[in-house]
Amino acid sequence: DARVTQTPRHKVTEMGQEVTMRCQPILGHNTVFWYRQTMMQGLELLAYFRNRAPLDDSGMPKDRFSAEMPDATLATLKIQPSEPRDSAVYFCASLARDSPTDTQYFGPGTRLTVL
Amino acid sequence: GQQVMQIPQYQHVQEGEDFTTYCNSSTTLSNIQWYKQRPGGHPVFLIQLVKSGEVKKQKRLTFQFGEAKKNSSLHITATQTTDVGTYFCAGPMTGANSKLTFGKGITLSVRP
Repeated sequence: DARVTQTPRHKVTEMGQEVTMRCQPILGHNTVFWYRQTMMQGLELLAYFRNRAPLDDSGMPKDRFSAEMPDATLATLKIQPSEPRDSAVYFCASLARDSPTDTQYFGPGTRLTVL
Repeated sequence: GQQVMQIPQYQHVQEGEDFTTYCNSSTTLSNIQWYKQRPGGHPVFLIQLVKSGEVKKQKRLTFQFGEAKKNSSLHITATQTTDVGTYFCAGPMTGANSKLTFGKGITLSVRP
């Protein structure tokens, strides 16, 4: 049963520290999204990749967030330096094709707490 | 920009009652998708509607796409405790790619 995996599942860190979250999309999927979920804002799109190329990161605070896909099996989201307001659940989702009718498969998420 | 609205954000029902929630878009959508997120879990795709007026059923869940393709509804017949969770609707941002605008979701709680 193919699934999106994310590590770590939980992360507690102190303000100012670097945080790296990893995502392994479903094998063969060519599109990857990063989302942030909070109670107040709901699901916010942070970044979007197709065939490993970044297409849209307009939802990301540029000064501290960065997203990359070093290869087809790994997407990373980094926060440096982290701040308490970054506390949220970060989801990665992958799709077989970059099409509006394709289903997004979400990973289990990384629950980040910044103290 | 495009907005997808789900109001209210929370609803509580007695087990066995029917439940209906609505999703409204500020723009016409090429399709609409519904996802469910269980407490502590991640969003899981439920269904996609594409045609104007389309109705699809999944056991006790009935989904409908509005005639104008700007709204959708989810109806649950005889709710069960397994229906607990947050239901999101989402529509493509431009229709050209897979970016979705998600509604804030409605969190359903069921009293046994």
